[in-house]
Amino acid sequence: DSGVTQTPKHLITATGQRVTLRCSPRSGDLSVYWYQQSLDQGLQFLIQYYNGEERAKGNILERFSAQQFPDLHSELNLSSLELGDSALYFCASSPRGSHGYTFGSGTRLTVV
Amino acid sequence: KNEVEQSPQNLTAQEGEFITINCSYSVGISALHWLQQHPGGGIVSLFMLSSGKKKHGRLIATINIQEKHSSLHITASHPRDSAVYICAVRSGGGADGLTFGKGTHLIIQP
Repeated sequence: DSGVTQTPKHLITATGQRVTLRCSPRSGDLSVYWYQQSLDQGLQFLIQYYNGEERAKGNILERFSAQQFPDLHSELNLSSLELGDSALYFCASSPRGSHGYTFGSGTRLTVV
Repeated sequence: KNEVEQSPQNLTAQEGEFITINCSYSVGISALHWLQQHPGGGIVSLFMLSSGKKKHGRLIATINIQEKHSSLHITASHPRDSAVYICAVRSGGGADGLTFGKGTHLIIQP
């Protein structure tokens, strides 16, 4: 157990639907990062939150959004899902002032 | 051209062999990470480097900032080392996520 908890582990949904992925960072870590891993694109950075505020954006689609709550857990919302959104979605957390990362075990999203 | 290039893409070796995986990057970085991903998906951070060399057990990671190059070495390789090894860099800007290489698929045969 890395200390970063992601739920659910697996999710199957239909095209056009909306899903929410949840991440609880390691205790004390203020930064949360979301990453997408697909067969064709590999691992890509989506978005970073730090202590409740958006800090950086990567290759995140407009159909996707995220937020970080006062208890520091984060949610990634994926809407109007397409087949190509099928991927592993990882969350990682990092303590203040550190470049180190701890990854969660990921959520495998399958869009059918 | 990808900002992070890894070689080789695939590597099969016999148990006990010395393994080297290379990573070159084209941007200024604040840190370089070596990650391990086993079948089934979980990602484990092996090393974070900003200079020099680090060792953990049979794993050694080095970085040459001037040449924008890093290597991951595995000594006395074992079948349990079979995994995908991913090089990732964090830009010098500080507030960005990681940029990843495509990974090296390593298989260690008994």
